[in-house]
Amino acid sequence: DTAVSQTPKYLVTQMGNDKSIKCEQNLGHDTMYWYKQDSKKFLKIMFSYNNKELIINETVPNRFSPKSPDKAHLNLHINSLELGDSAVYFCASSPAAGTGGGEGYTFGSGTRLTVV
Amino acid sequence: GNSVTQMEGPVTLSEEAFLTINCTYTATGYPSLFWYVQYPGEGLQLLLKATKADDKGSNKGFEATYRKETTSFHLEKGSVQVSDSAVYFCALTPNQAGTALIFGKGTTLSVSS
Repeated sequence: DTAVSQTPKYLVTQMGNDKSIKCEQNLGHDTMYWYKQDSKKFLKIMFSYNNKELIINETVPNRFSPKSPDKAHLNLHINSLELGDSAVYFCASSPAAGTGGGEGYTFGSGTRLTVV
Repeated sequence: GNSVTQMEGPVTLSEEAFLTINCTYTATGYPSLFWYVQYPGEGLQLLLKATKADDKGSNKGFEATYRKETTSFHLEKGSVQVSDSAVYFCALTPNQAGTALIFGKGTTLSVSS
């Protein structure tokens, strides 16, 4: 059973399109995250939800909108895609927000987004 | 603020060589420290962790000690294998509400036989 699963694994789309990436965790964790990994492998937090409530919203263009229908799901919708959005997007979960650091995070396998 | 600095790569070693990847951090409060590994084409896996000063995390022959006095968490392995080739990330959580795991820039390790 996959702990944190993301779909799709690969996404190739044209500039200007709107796309979504889905994430689900079956670990019973309260907190979920989206990270962006750029071409130099640098990982940066984008958003975090704790039990469906947005708790972290880093400086990200408002074309990116996260949605959490329940604490096991966190989706990422991107409007008007740009070339610079090409990256690998990772979903993660942890037992608790902020103070749950002792357990570490569990990551999905990533979604490689290519905008052409 | 909170940040992680790790040595630039790539690091290229022969099989059975000794590995050190340096990591230092800046944090307010009492962070937890981690090493994650990313094998080619895969996601991130937790390699080891330490939650307080002087704790030693270890896994698969890798180890790192949480040194508060030098704000460091260097990763070491006595004898690397080809299968250890991957990108290694040092990371911390500030253990404060409203924060998230913060990563260093990653160090690529390449081991040849």
